[in-house]
Amino acid sequence: DQQVKQNSPSLSVQEGRISILNCDYTNSMFDYFLWYKKYPAEGPTFLISISSIKDKNEDGRFTVFLNKSAKHLSLHIVPSQPGDSAVYFCAASARETSGSRLTFGEGTQLTVNP
Amino acid sequence: SQTIHQWPATLVQPVGSPLSLECTVEGTSNPNLYWYRQAAGRGLQLLFYSVGIGQISSEVPQNLSASRPQDRQFILSSKKLLLSDSGFYLCAWSTGRQLQPQHFGDGTRLSIL
Repeated sequence: DQQVKQNSPSLSVQEGRISILNCDYTNSMFDYFLWYKKYPAEGPTFLISISSIKDKNEDGRFTVFLNKSAKHLSLHIVPSQPGDSAVYFCAASARETSGSRLTFGEGTQLTVNP
Repeated sequence: SQTIHQWPATLVQPVGSPLSLECTVEGTSNPNLYWYRQAAGRGLQLLFYSVGIGQISSEVPQNLSASRPQDRQFILSSKKLLLSDSGFYLCAWSTGRQLQPQHFGDGTRLSIL
């Protein structure tokens, strides 16, 4: 049962344009959502998060949008830079979950072309 | 500031050999600790988590075990490795408080021959 889904395995964007990465979830108990960035042979790096009481959170070039009714979140990167090329994972957790466990999607490979 | 260390970075082991991967966290106390595995081209699968010394929860049945002998030390072990144990193993920590992210180490690439 894949509770967090990233349906696009890859995305290619031109430098300077917007990158939009999407994520869907099925568990209505999820109330905290995160995006991580991962380079090859490294651990994921936390990027940005949002709690379910908000519908938008912004940090520099990164903005996360949450649509609870659609059980959908997205990460916008504007403007995209070649250094943004990496695998992006979305993750979610539920307040009542023991150990504050996260459930991850399978990732989207973003390639930003110069 | 908090840091997390994992070693070794890469490991090549024969089938049937034992395994011990170590993870330590500095700069925080009583963290939640996690072991994940990422198979090639896949997402992150949670293997074990711990909310305190000696407290280990397993997420999936497997050939591996975990231990937490000290507050900021988390060890992943196996008595006899299988080919299917190959993968990228990641340790992570969090404060355990609500609405806080997990922070990952740099991982161990394990290859079983």
